Amino acid sequence: DAKTTQPTSMDCAEGRAANLPCNHSTISGNEYVYWYRQIHSQGPQYIIHGLKNNETNEMASLIITEDRKSSTLILPHATLRDTAVYYCIVRVGGGNQGGKLIFGQGTELSVKP
Amino acid sequence: GAVVSQHPSWVICKSGTSVKIECRSLDFQATTMFWYRQFPKQSLMLMATSNEGSKATYEQGVEKDKFLINHASLTLSTLTVTSAHPEDSSFYICSAPPVLAGSYEQYFGPGTRLTVT
Repeated sequence: DAKTTQPTSMDCAEGRAANLPCNHSTISGNEYVYWYRQIHSQGPQYIIHGLKNNETNEMASLIITEDRKSSTLILPHATLRDTAVYYCIVRVGGGNQGGKLIFGQGTELSVKP
Repeated sequence: GAVVSQHPSWVICKSGTSVKIECRSLDFQATTMFWYRQFPKQSLMLMATSNEGSKATYEQGVEKDKFLINHASLTLSTLTVTSAHPEDSSFYICSAPPVLAGSYEQYFGPGTRLTVT
């Protein structure tokens, strides 16, 4: 699976959009970009995933560059409850069975009042 | 969304004893489950892949005789930490991908905090 690079930490003002970047320059054509987050002392929570098209769900939007070498997770209106570590993971799509997820160091997002 | 539970949520044990942690998928079946370990201020580290009806697959550097994994049914996997030592104190988390067509998500348990004294 391709390696990802994320900033160690970021701050965001409450109510503003949080834009979390991720570099995955060695991504292969059949690898998906996944985002998970982990709130302190809890299990990770799935946010969104995509292959090459931009994706949006009730939690966030995922913007993938045309060359697929980087992506950005957007939380449109960050709240204090969005304070967490956000992980960008690249791996082959699971089909009926998700494969193992290899976690990098992630980005620690702090949403401030 | 689907729910994965872990039991116990926390446990304290004495050095040299064994501890069993359960991971259950409550409303879906999972032929595969994953076990992770997380030390304070660090990321999750994959320990092993639990396979229903067959042996677990361990990541490099993880002692299979120390961390015993059993996947006895499509909804239950157990991790037993044998002869626990203080350095085994950690946050243990399991995850499970549902056996559903088109499912790309994995669902994580809430974690089990193990403290070995």
